[in-house]
Amino acid sequence: NAGVTQTPKFQVLKTGQSMTLQCAQDMNHNSMYWYRQDPGMGLRLIHYSVGAGITDQGEVPNGYNVSRSTTEDFPLRLLSAAPSQTSVYFCASSYSGLAGTRREQYFGPGTRLTVT
Amino acid sequence: AQKVTQAQTEISVVEKEDVTLDCVYETRDTTYYLFWYKQPPSGELVFLIRRNSFDEQNEISGRYSWNFQKSTSSFNFTITASQVVDSAVYFCALSEARGNNRLAFGKGNQVVVIP
Repeated sequence: NAGVTQTPKFQVLKTGQSMTLQCAQDMNHNSMYWYRQDPGMGLRLIHYSVGAGITDQGEVPNGYNVSRSTTEDFPLRLLSAAPSQTSVYFCASSYSGLAGTRREQYFGPGTRLTVT
Repeated sequence: AQKVTQAQTEISVVEKEDVTLDCVYETRDTTYYLFWYKQPPSGELVFLIRRNSFDEQNEISGRYSWNFQKSTSSFNFTITASQVVDSAVYFCALSEARGNNRLAFGKGNQVVVIP
C-alpha cells in the first residue's frame, strides 16, 4: 500500500514552459487535492476533486489545470510556468462521506518546483 | 468563510520542556472538523489528530495532548517533555462539513527543540 505518490520530486522549469505533476493514490479515496506551500503562507488549495470526472477550484487556481479521469490519478498541469509558481506542491487524498463526515487527508511527499 | 490562525511563528524550547501551540479558528458552520498535522524537516505532512465539533473531549496520546474549546474557538496542542525529534512545523487545519472536505490551514508553528 503506497498511499499517495507524487512524481517528480524535484523539477526546474524555465518561464513559459509547461509540465504535469503526477499524483496517484491507492487507498480508493474519492477526494483528491492539490496544495502549494510557500514560506510563511501555510498550505493553499489549488484545485480539488470529489470524484472521477468532477473537479473544482480552490483558493489559488490561476495558471493550473486539473482533470480526474480515474479514482486513482489526479495530475496537475502548469500551463505556462511563471516564477511566482516556484513552490512545493503537495497532493492529498481523503474519503468524504455523503453525510458530511470528514476524514483526514493523506499527503504525498511533495514536488519541489523552481521556475527560472 | 473558514479561517485558522496560529499566532506564534517560531517557538524554541529546551529538551524536556513542555510546549503548547495555539490554534484559533473561525467558521459559520455548526458542524466542522479540526486537525493537527506535523511537518518534520524531511518535508512530509503527517496527520496527528482529528476532532469534530460535537466532541469536545480532550485527548492525550503519549506525550501529545489536545485541548478543544468551542466557547473560545480554540484547538490547542501540547507536547509534554519535548524531544529533539519533535522539532517540526505543526499545522492546525479546519474543514467545514459543507465544504467538500477542503482544508483551511493555519500558517504553522515552527517548533525548535534544543538539546
